Amino acid sequence: GENVEQHPSTLSVQEGDSAVIKCTYSDSASNYFPWYKQELGKGPQLIIDIRSNVGEKKDQRIAVTLNKTAKHFSLHITETQPEDSAVYFCAAHTNTGNQFYFGTGTSLTVIP
Amino acid sequence: NAGVTQTPKFQVLKTGQSMTLQCAQDMNHEYMSWYRQDPGMGLRLIHYSVGAGITDQGEVPNGYNVSRSTTEDFPLRLLSAAPSQTSVYFCASRARVGGTEAFFGQGTRLTVV
Repeated sequence: GENVEQHPSTLSVQEGDSAVIKCTYSDSASNYFPWYKQELGKGPQLIIDIRSNVGEKKDQRIAVTLNKTAKHFSLHITETQPEDSAVYFCAAHTNTGNQFYFGTGTSLTVIP
Repeated sequence: NAGVTQTPKFQVLKTGQSMTLQCAQDMNHEYMSWYRQDPGMGLRLIHYSVGAGITDQGEVPNGYNVSRSTTEDFPLRLLSAAPSQTSVYFCASRARVGGTEAFFGQGTRLTVV
């Protein structure tokens, strides 16, 4: 089955700096890559996603890039704010297994 | 619009007890699933359903049962609780089979003593 690895497990940045979280996947059949944000005591919530026919997608301060050849995708958060502090999960979806495979999460702390 | 509702939010069980975690969604989603979240292990799929009357196993199904008698509800049953089942459980739904946004409930924190 698919294997998704996520790095780093923890990340601290100063407010206003950028944060980058990286994920790799193993199954070349994976075709949908969402990113979820989980705040303390809540369920994960989708913040951005990308499909395998696109190399980059942006939504205000958040962007995701995908390199299909290398099988890796990354989340970029610019101009970080304290409210960006949360745990972020990447995931890969493959139609063959019809399920999401999640990374192990990155705990992001934005220091005011 | 409530989205995905899980009950209870917290539960303590003794080893060997059984219980049902409830999950309901009001978005008419075909696909529902249960995950467990453990420190350092991300979210792991327990069971999923692609529609009423259809269920299948995920990555870690042992010790759990599910049923899907209606589109809205997808309960998760622990048959005989074990300390290894101490975890946070999330129910999720999405509109259809395939790569689409998953909506998660608030989670159930289960402790088995």
